[in-house]
Amino acid sequence: AQTVTQSQPEMSVQEAETVTLSCTYDTSESDYYLFWYKQPPSRQMILVIRQEAYKQQNATENRFSVNFQKAAKSFSLKISDSQLGDAAMYFCALGSGANSKLTFGKGITLSVRP
Amino acid sequence: DGGITQSPKYLFRKEGQNVTLSCEQNLNHDAMYWYRQDPGQGLRLIYYSQIVNDFQKGDIAEGYSVSREKKESFPLTVTSAQKNPTAFYLCASNSLREAGANVLTFGAGSRLTVL
Repeated sequence: AQTVTQSQPEMSVQEAETVTLSCTYDTSESDYYLFWYKQPPSRQMILVIRQEAYKQQNATENRFSVNFQKAAKSFSLKISDSQLGDAAMYFCALGSGANSKLTFGKGITLSVRP
Repeated sequence: DGGITQSPKYLFRKEGQNVTLSCEQNLNHDAMYWYRQDPGQGLRLIYYSQIVNDFQKGDIAEGYSVSREKKESFPLTVTSAQKNPTAFYLCASNSLREAGANVLTFGAGSRLTVL
């Protein structure tokens, strides 16, 4: 069975500062993918970033980057130059190559202070 | 524009009634999913379907039923057997043939409240 753990329910960051959201996971698969999804107050789920497990290079999308530590089964999201629009719930998710479904963590609510 | 349409956005139900949530996609995606979201619980998988006329139970299938008669449609019925149906329901889909096939596209969700 796959598990995803987000142990921090809430975090806060000052506008323009950097924040890191933590996620750990467990899987017996060798071929898997990791994701961060954002859910703003509208509740529309939006893909933030994706990481293939076979890639050693950490994924980056503009102000969003990940720190993928495969041996430690850790997958954290770093948001640089935080903006008010980054305030949302963020979910870490895990999928395997053998099956298309995703397992989600419980999410973390990020607030951004002006 | 391609996407996933969920309806209704808000639904109220009396105890003992079955209700059906609609999910339609025009992305030509193979697989479709239903997730339930509760505060502090994240997203939990109810049912999923990777091909027409076939579907699989997820982690919390009890009290729910689905059908997949068309590739574009994956309706979810919340039956009276579901003990705590008040929740936010999300439908999602993805392609099984493209690179990065695990990437899910989500609908806007349906909020079900049992009175």
